[in-house]
Amino acid sequence: AQKITQTQPGMFVQEKEAVTLDCTYDTSDPSYGLFWYKQPSSGEMIFLIYQGSYDQQNATEGRYSLNFQKARKSANLVISASQLGDSAMYFCAMRNPVQGGGNKLTFGTGTQLKVEL
Amino acid sequence: DTEVTQTPKHLVMGMTNKKSLKCEQHMGHRAMYWYKQKAKKPPELMFVYSYEKLSINESVPSRFSPECPNSSLLNLHLHALQPEDSALYLCASRDRGGDEKLFFGSGTQLSVL
Repeated sequence: AQKITQTQPGMFVQEKEAVTLDCTYDTSDPSYGLFWYKQPSSGEMIFLIYQGSYDQQNATEGRYSLNFQKARKSANLVISASQLGDSAMYFCAMRNPVQGGGNKLTFGTGTQLKVEL
Repeated sequence: DTEVTQTPKHLVMGMTNKKSLKCEQHMGHRAMYWYKQKAKKPPELMFVYSYEKLSINESVPSRFSPECPNSSLLNLHLHALQPEDSALYLCASRDRGGDEKLFFGSGTQLSVL
């Protein structure tokens, strides 16, 4: 069975500082994908970054980077130069193939990030 | 157009009502999803449609009935819901042949009285 674990229910960071949000996963599939989504209070899930299981390099998207350590089964999100608008819930998610075709995205429990002045 | 549009944004219904949630995307994506999200919890997968055919039903009660009339539209028909069904219902789409990411709508906040 696939499992995603986020152990930080809440995090605080000062504006302009970097912050790391933790994510570990467990799967027996050799092919999988790891995602980070941001969900502000408005409710929409906003895609931030993606890492494929066979990707050799860590993914980066602007201020977001994914610290992918395959042997440790971890996929931590690093946000550099935090901004007040980064305050939101952050979900780590894993894509796995399912029987009969298609994919399934399973989410972790989330980390509530608050950026302070 | 990189949007997934969900209507209505808010819905209040009684336990005897019948209502429908609507989701629309014009990105040519051929996989569409319904997720349910309770407050302060992660989204939980309900249904997946692939090429307008139901491919995944996560043992969802029959009071929720999905429908995919064409490749751009996804509906969720609601009937005889319970108060515990109150939640944010999120629709998403994905291009099976391309980018891995799911595009989400902003959701329908449902309250069952």
